[in-house]
Amino acid sequence: AQSVAQPEDQVNVAEGNPLTVKCTYSVSGNPYLFWYVQYPNRGLQFLLKYITGDNLVKGSYGFEAEFNKSQTSFHLKKPSALVSDSALYFCAVRAFGRAGNNRKLIWGLGTSLAVNP
Amino acid sequence: GAGVSQSPRYKVAKRGQDVALRCDPISGHVSLFWYQQALGQGPEFLTYFQNEAQLDKSGLPSDRFFAERPEGSVSTLKIQRTQQEDSAVYLCASSLRQGSNQETQYFGPGTRLLVL
Repeated sequence: AQSVAQPEDQVNVAEGNPLTVKCTYSVSGNPYLFWYVQYPNRGLQFLLKYITGDNLVKGSYGFEAEFNKSQTSFHLKKPSALVSDSALYFCAVRAFGRAGNNRKLIWGLGTSLAVNP
Repeated sequence: GAGVSQSPRYKVAKRGQDVALRCDPISGHVSLFWYQQALGQGPEFLTYFQNEAQLDKSGLPSDRFFAERPEGSVSTLKIQRTQQEDSAVYLCASSLRQGSNQETQYFGPGTRLLVL
């Protein structure tokens, strides 16, 4: 079965320190991987994606993520955290159905990031 | 440059009532998705349209849930005879088209449904 795991419910980091939010996946075939951020009472905002190419992907707001095929991971990182980065972060993987029509995303449960001033 | 819009933003329904949730995707986006997000959970896929064709409805939890996109643009998710377990945020997303560089899904703000 295709799945995504975010092993940490919550991550706490001091402002200015580097942050990492972890994600591992299990899919058949080559994965399309995504990170989204969700602020309270707002929709999901796209941060970045890995489709193919360089394993290090750069996205919005200074975030980046590294695709590691051998470890089936796609961890989200930022060199210097801001208080305004505090939000709920979701990792997702695009499913590949047998019919080829399946475009749905399979989601992790989310990680709450708290950046302390 | 409007994004995905959804209406209403909040809906309170009495158990047994029918509700209709609307999604306006980004103009020109071919693909449209509905997801259900329960409190404290990640989104769960409900259904997917490519233009007006509903290509995947495997995530619809029961035959009380019905979605349509008759002209390949606006979509409506209808829930008949609502139950308390239907309380959730319903998210709509759209993407430009198939193909590896056009598959980013852009989400609306969601409709928060509370069934009493």
